[in-house]
Amino acid sequence: QKEVEQNSGPLSVPEGAIASLNCTYSDRGSQSFFWYRQYSGKSPELIMFIYSNGDKEDGRFTAQLNKASQYVSLLIRDSQPSDSATYLCAVGGGSARQLTFGSGTQLTVLP
Amino acid sequence: NAGVTQTPKFQVLKTGQSMTLQCAQDMNHNSMYWYRQDPGMGLRLIYYSASEGTTDKGEVPNGYNVSRLNKREFSLRLESAAPSQTSVYFCASSYGTDNNSPLHFGNGTRLTVT
Repeated sequence: QKEVEQNSGPLSVPEGAIASLNCTYSDRGSQSFFWYRQYSGKSPELIMFIYSNGDKEDGRFTAQLNKASQYVSLLIRDSQPSDSATYLCAVGGGSARQLTFGSGTQLTVLP
Repeated sequence: NAGVTQTPKFQVLKTGQSMTLQCAQDMNHNSMYWYRQDPGMGLRLIYYSASEGTTDKGEVPNGYNVSRLNKREFSLRLESAAPSQTSVYFCASSYGTDNNSPLHFGNGTRLTVT
């Protein structure tokens, strides 16, 4: 079992819809959770982080954390074609010495 | 404020050649990292340096060496390049020395070994 799992997609949503990206992790001791966006041919860019159970909102982005169920999700409201990218989930604070990344979910927002 | 700067952006090597990838950050971060990213494999940690003067192996260290030259600079060396090292390499840095801090990535180096 991979330590951090993401559905590789591709996930397609129409413009203006809500995109929902999910990530599950195996280490119950994990404490920090990050979402990165990576455009094709570019480097990962941090867009959200969350440390506590519940929701955290930043503009059109909402990160949701449920430690009991060991999942973290990213919601993108009013999706735009410019949101088309691969989204990487990263988890830290557990037994691993460094952040553990998922393989990413490819999102396509259709105009 | 440049953030994390990597050089070169592109490189082509022949098998057996050596090269050094350079990385510098100007954010006063304590920790620095080298990752490689291959299609379908995600980001894999090669080496990291939690603080100046220390380096540790990551998930895929074989065939690589690193040097934390000072707080700002962290280089990755390939002593004898192999086609399996064809990849995109990212340098990253973080303020914290534990694994709870977000990483900030450089723009990457696309390396091809023929």
